[in-house]
Amino acid sequence: DQQVKQNSPSLSVQEGRISILNCDYTNSMFDYFLWYKKYPAEGPTFLISISSIKDKNEDGRFTVFLNKSAKHLSLHIVPSQPGDSAVYFCAASAGQGGSEKLVFGKGTKLTVNP
Amino acid sequence: EPEVTQTPSHQVTQMGQEVILRCVPISNHLYFYWYRQILGQKVEFLVSFYNNEISEKSEIFDDQFSVERPDGSNFTLKIRSTKLEDSAMYFCASIVDGAAQSYEQYFGPGTRLTVT
Repeated sequence: DQQVKQNSPSLSVQEGRISILNCDYTNSMFDYFLWYKKYPAEGPTFLISISSIKDKNEDGRFTVFLNKSAKHLSLHIVPSQPGDSAVYFCAASAGQGGSEKLVFGKGTKLTVNP
Repeated sequence: EPEVTQTPSHQVTQMGQEVILRCVPISNHLYFYWYRQILGQKVEFLVSFYNNEISEKSEIFDDQFSVERPDGSNFTLKIRSTKLEDSAMYFCASIVDGAAQSYEQYFGPGTRLTVT
């Protein structure tokens, strides 16, 4: 039951270029979406989030876009840096409260080459 | 910056043994979670805990699992009789307040459980 899908297991980009990570979801009850970054042997680290009432949220080099009609979101990293190399997880939650469980995608491994 | 801590970082146990994984959530957080990630798979929700009781649990969280907040700081996950398929990274997470404007869950570094 893959409610959150990240169809690209890996992505490789050059330093300075844009990285675009994609995520699709099937559950229309999801109303909050998050991106987490994970290094090996560490826990997921929160990166950026977006509520379903918005279509864009920006934080420095990171921008998340949400297309509710397509049930699709994407994370843009501009410019990409070698330190951005990690596994990126898309996650979603449903319900009115912020305490709802997170449903994760399988992750996309981003490699930024110098 | 406050962070979620977990101990031990790695636990090796024999099948059938009981294990207790420990977490110290961020001090002013009210909601607590356990997730796990089997190698090569996605992070999966196990259980959420609020006000000293389970809020929600997944199908994975069967009678072999239990959670407890024995004091004001620790949050534990107990597996009564471990199985080989319990081998995974177990992550604890917490959130400050369910009604807060931001819903980011903060994750600990994880405990790698290896069942032999």
